[in-house]
Formats: sequence, structure tokens, C-alpha cells
Amino acid sequence: SQQGEEDPQALSIQEGENATMNCSYKTSINNLQWYRQNSGRGLVHLILIRSNEREKHSGRLRVTLDTSKKSSSLLITASRAADTASYFCATGFTGGGNKLTFGTGTQLKVEL
Amino acid sequence: EAGVAQSPRYKIIEKRQSVAFWCNPISGHATLYWYQQILGQGPKLLIQFQNNGVVDDSQLPKDRFSAERLKGVDSTLKIQPAKLEDSAVYLCASSADRGAQPQHFGDGTRLSIL
Repeated sequence: SQQGEEDPQALSIQEGENATMNCSYKTSINNLQWYRQNSGRGLVHLILIRSNEREKHSGRLRVTLDTSKKSSSLLITASRAADTASYFCATGFTGGGNKLTFGTGTQLKVEL
Repeated sequence: EAGVAQSPRYKIIEKRQSVAFWCNPISGHATLYWYQQILGQGPKLLIQFQNNGVVDDSQLPKDRFSAERLKGVDSTLKIQPAKLEDSAVYLCASSADRGAQPQHFGDGTRLSIL
């Protein structure tokens, strides 16, 4: 079963704009990860945030985590055409041995 | 470092036939995962290995799917017999160990069942 639900399902923006994707989950977690998947390829890890962290940055990426609301957001600033991909959140739980449950994904299209 | 290698990239079979997928994880990675990704959905974990032992196979349809990781390195996933609903991309991933950390994915095998 899918633990996370990403919102929106699809997002289309112009190059240079910011893109925000949200993820909601249902059970307690010890970490949340974001992945990118280009068409026909495997997933690429973007960022990992632990349950005791509220915000993390990596280059043009900013991830927030609100455990009280069981939600996370991924912000991509100054988007580029190369950012066009599907983005997934994945949750891990204490004692889960790095088992991840993936959400349904957001399809991002960045147009020139 | 070399990434996760999977083969074949594509496979087309008829229902009730058998098929096998192969995965070579990143060198030194103890944990290996097989996922099924149906079109338009996120990956679903089928089985997780720690070295050559199974950690979690709760979502593996054991009546038709089997997997092994001999010598704790390469792994194979087999489906026998295949059903139409098995059409999906089968992704292999690996991580250094079982703690909370990134998983590294191969490009997957796209399986089509006719």
C-alpha cells in the first residue's frame, strides 16, 4: 500500500519559477526521503530528512518536515527544463531496517 | 563508483511463461531491494535482503515470485508463471546497510505480459 500521497499529481511551470510539491503520510516515521525519476530511468535520491529535523537544504532544493501534521514539502528554486521528472516521497520507520514506502508521485514539467 | 546494474532492460513474454531478472548492486552494499513499479504509481517493495538473508518479503506474491541473493552480492528475481497484472517495471536498489540512508537504484527491467 502507498503510505504517502503527493500533491499535486501534476505541475507545469515555466523555467525560472519555483516548484513546490507536498507529501502527506499516515504513520509515525523516523525519516523521509525525496527521489527524482526521469522517464524510463531509475530513481535518484535527492535528500533525506530525519524526524527530529525540520528543514534541510541541498543546492536548489529545500525540504521541510512537519511531523505534527505528518507532511513534508519539496521546494525547487529557479527551476530548469532538466528538472522535468516525477518526484516521489518515501517514508521510513523506526525498526524498519531502511524499508521505504513510496508515495504516488508528482509529475513536474518545466517549460522553456 | 559503478551504479546498480540490471538486465535485461526490456522483456516481453506471454502469460503463464516464466521470466528472470538480474541485479548487481553497488560494490560493498549489504542491503538489496527489489521493487515493482506499475505505470503511474510509486515503487512497491517486493523483497529486501541483508547480505544473503531475507529481511522483508511481506509483499512478495510467493506463489509465483521468488528471489535469491547467493553469496550476498548479485540477486535474481523470478516470476513463474507470469500473469497479465505483473506488467510493470522491476527496480533493484541497494544501500550500504539497513539504517536510514539513501537507496541507489538501477534503471529497471520493463516487463510486458501479452
